Amino acid sequence: NAGVTQTPKFQVLKTGQSMTLQCAQDMNHNSMYWYRQDPGMGLRLIYYSASEGTTDKGEVPNGYNVSRLNKREFSLRLESAAPSQTSVYFCAAHRDTSYEQYFGPGTRLTVT
Amino acid sequence: GDSVTQMEGPVTLSEEAFLTINCTYTATGYPSLFWYVQYPGEGLQLLLKATKADDKGSNKGFEATYRKETTSFHLEKGSVQVSDSAVYFCALVNTGFQKLVFGTGTRLLVSP
Repeated sequence: NAGVTQTPKFQVLKTGQSMTLQCAQDMNHNSMYWYRQDPGMGLRLIYYSASEGTTDKGEVPNGYNVSRLNKREFSLRLESAAPSQTSVYFCAAHRDTSYEQYFGPGTRLTVT
Repeated sequence: GDSVTQMEGPVTLSEEAFLTINCTYTATGYPSLFWYVQYPGEGLQLLLKATKADDKGSNKGFEATYRKETTSFHLEKGSVQVSDSAVYFCALVNTGFQKLVFGTGTRLLVSP
């Protein structure tokens, strides 16, 4: 039981390049989330998915797209990376019977 | 909207000292309150929670009491260890919603 897994762990992109961050959970939870963590700003919600086939914008969705491929997987795509997207990205899955969230180990992204 | 305010860090303590990290919140209704901990290089882990007024959450020697009259959820530990060095996040989720609202985090540094 791995919980929430994320790939890659580290990535360096040049401005304008695209990439997809992958997230998978094996806990059979319906809801999944993407956050970014920046110094002094805590965690900010980018997108979330309450169930397979649905996605909704969070606090900072601009420059990102998401895809809830199935119940297990929730990917985050940067179509044209910008230096302002340099951050640590966390995926989380939400336990349906309570308000607890379980986090992946994070992806550290640098855009130069 | 809902918000969480935490004391700024870093908080620097010697081993076996008493710890308090302040957290206050603004929310409508009756939110559930959480403390998450992030160890270096890792994702967030749920440390403790409280779902209604006067509840006390506890785990690993840490405690926090849900005080509705002061809208606070301060984290305490009687005797910290070097291994407690981490970033601590206070968070809330409001009834009927699935989105966590995080504070900005407080870094704790414990020296031997």
